[in-house]
Amino acid sequence: ETGVTQTPRHLVMGMTNKKSLKCEQHLGHNAMYWYKQSAKKPLELMFVYSLEERVENNSVPSRFSPECPNSSHLFLHLHTLQPEDSALYLCASSPGTSGTREQFFGPGTRLTVL
Amino acid sequence: AQSVTQLDSQVPVFEEAPVELRCNYSSSVSVYLFWYVQYPNQGLQLLLKYLSGSTLVKGINGFEAEFNKSQTSFHLRKPSVHISDTAEYFCAVSEAGANNLFFGTGTRLTVIP
Repeated sequence: ETGVTQTPRHLVMGMTNKKSLKCEQHLGHNAMYWYKQSAKKPLELMFVYSLEERVENNSVPSRFSPECPNSSHLFLHLHTLQPEDSALYLCASSPGTSGTREQFFGPGTRLTVL
Repeated sequence: AQSVTQLDSQVPVFEEAPVELRCNYSSSVSVYLFWYVQYPNQGLQLLLKYLSGSTLVKGINGFEAEFNKSQTSFHLRKPSVHISDTAEYFCAVSEAGANNLFFGTGTRLTVIP
């Protein structure tokens, strides 16, 4: 595997379910990001991790819970979601959070909340 | 905080015609500028970036962009588009010292045969 991978690619869940999204980067980067992509809106940055520590949390509801066990893996734990949380969730990584900030993206997880 | 404006949400263009996708950003401080492309059911792929130096930047797939500091713009151009260029294009900006990229709302380029 190369680059940034995300699993699953598609997820359908009910509002009472608990599920997790997984992201893995094979680039040796130190920073990882979760974004939410909804139609007609700019990408919304949700969380930033640098060297496994959360450095930014953009007022994301507590029903989204990130976890970064090491610099290669990032999870997004989901519970009691709402239908408006349906979106494409993108993971990205970068060499660090300073410098040029070029980010490398995974293919995304298409989430549908029923 | 930065804001990034992509004025055109949709741009239809005939195959082999030239195209320009517009991007303006709000801040005049030192910035890095990016264009990403997103094909259906895929993540974002970097097309090109401006970090410093020459204001004309060349990227992959024949695209180029020009940084204009006085107009705070970073428009994307291609002299002759192909069907395979049909995709969503995102402009993004980061500021020196900030943690993240700020994205525009995207422009959907549709190439018509």
